[in-house]
Amino acid sequence: DGGITQSPKYLFRKEGQNVTLSCEQNLNHDAMYWYRQDPGQGLRLIYYSQIVNDFQKGDIAEGYSVSREKKESFPLTVTSAQKNPTAFYLCASKQGRGDTQYFGPGTRLTVL
Amino acid sequence: GQQLNQSPQSMFIQEGEDVSMNCTSSSIFNTWLWYKQDPGEGPVLLIALYKAGELTSNGRLTAQFGITRKDSFLNISASIPSDVGIYFCAGFRSNFGNEKLTFGTGTRLTIIP
Repeated sequence: DGGITQSPKYLFRKEGQNVTLSCEQNLNHDAMYWYRQDPGQGLRLIYYSQIVNDFQKGDIAEGYSVSREKKESFPLTVTSAQKNPTAFYLCASKQGRGDTQYFGPGTRLTVL
Repeated sequence: GQQLNQSPQSMFIQEGEDVSMNCTSSSIFNTWLWYKQDPGEGPVLLIALYKAGELTSNGRLTAQFGITRKDSFLNISASIPSDVGIYFCAGFRSNFGNEKLTFGTGTRLTIIP
């Protein structure tokens, strides 16, 4: 069953703690993306990776970090430096130089 | 970062009505995509458009790639309850080494009983 998985669906953390969100895909896609969505808002790009061991900052990278050690995995760490981390986080992937991105089910992070 | 202008922001319609929404940009795009997002879920691709002037259908959904390449339109005919959700447009411009989508701000569709 091919697809993109994000875990967990809901995540709660105390202020000041780092937290890592998981994103895995078995679609053999080269590129992976992380977006943030706030209530009633569109999607804003945090980081993206077009190939293993390489990634670029998106529009709102401050306070976040990523790694791409394996093709199928692109974890996102929300650090304590992110001033307003409570949001819905979406991971996406796409094949090579294509344009169509496919999304995971999302993780809702709440920082208390 | 740029976000595309999408309108209307929200729509309240009765079941059976047709729906129209559009997306505009100050920049040219090579590809337009339309996604639907259900509450608490990731967006799902509805239609992809690759050529200026192209008109593509997917069931009751029809989308068009504007002739200027700076806009796109989505129509839903005879709306049903499962059409409720947020619709996003996204544009893609192939810049080598910069493979990013630009998303619209979304249109929230609500069906009034």
